[in-house]
Amino acid sequence: DAKTTQPPSMDCAEGRAANLPCNHSTISGNEYVYWYRQIHSQGPQYIIHGLKNNETNEMASLIITEDRKSSTLILPHATLRDTAVYYCIVRPDTGRRALTFGSGTRLQVQP
Amino acid sequence: DSGVTQTPKHLITATGQRVTLRCSPRSGDLSVYWYQQSLDQGLQFLIQYYNGEERAKGNILERFSAQQFPDLHSELNLSSLELGDSALYFCASSEGGNRANEKLFFGSGTQLSVL
Repeated sequence: DAKTTQPPSMDCAEGRAANLPCNHSTISGNEYVYWYRQIHSQGPQYIIHGLKNNETNEMASLIITEDRKSSTLILPHATLRDTAVYYCIVRPDTGRRALTFGSGTRLQVQP
Repeated sequence: DSGVTQTPKHLITATGQRVTLRCSPRSGDLSVYWYQQSLDQGLQFLIQYYNGEERAKGNILERFSAQQFPDLHSELNLSSLELGDSALYFCASSEGGNRANEKLFFGSGTQLSVL
């Protein structure tokens, strides 16, 4: 599976945009980039996913570089409830397709 | 609410015992995935079932087993429990299980404490 690299922690001021980077330089073929988050000990929550194009939904935007070797998750107006661990995952398009979670980025939104 | 239901929410048992965790997937989802989350190991994929059949295996111990029933609910059986098995166990479901472009939805987990 393609490996991802994320900073272990980040801070963001409430109301500001949170930009969470992810490096996935070994991504290949039709592997998708997924973002999940886990608030405290709750079940991981799906945020967004994409292949090549930038994506936006009601929760966030996903910006994928043209060479697909990195991506950025953008939370446009962070709130205290966005404090969580954010996982960037590259999902294989063949073989075992279960999501493989790394250690993620712990985002702390400050009041 | 993800639509994935896990029971029980909490389970306390002793070493050497056997427990069963239950998962009901979202309506219409055919795949069920089991994950273990401990403090030192993070979220680890254990096993996936698709429409009643085992589809993929991860870091699942031989003492652990799972199955998916005709109504698509799944059970994870943990036997000869050890202190190190104390963890959060999550179930997830997805519509199919054979596409990379498919979301997984997670339940709220079962907290297992082995004393």
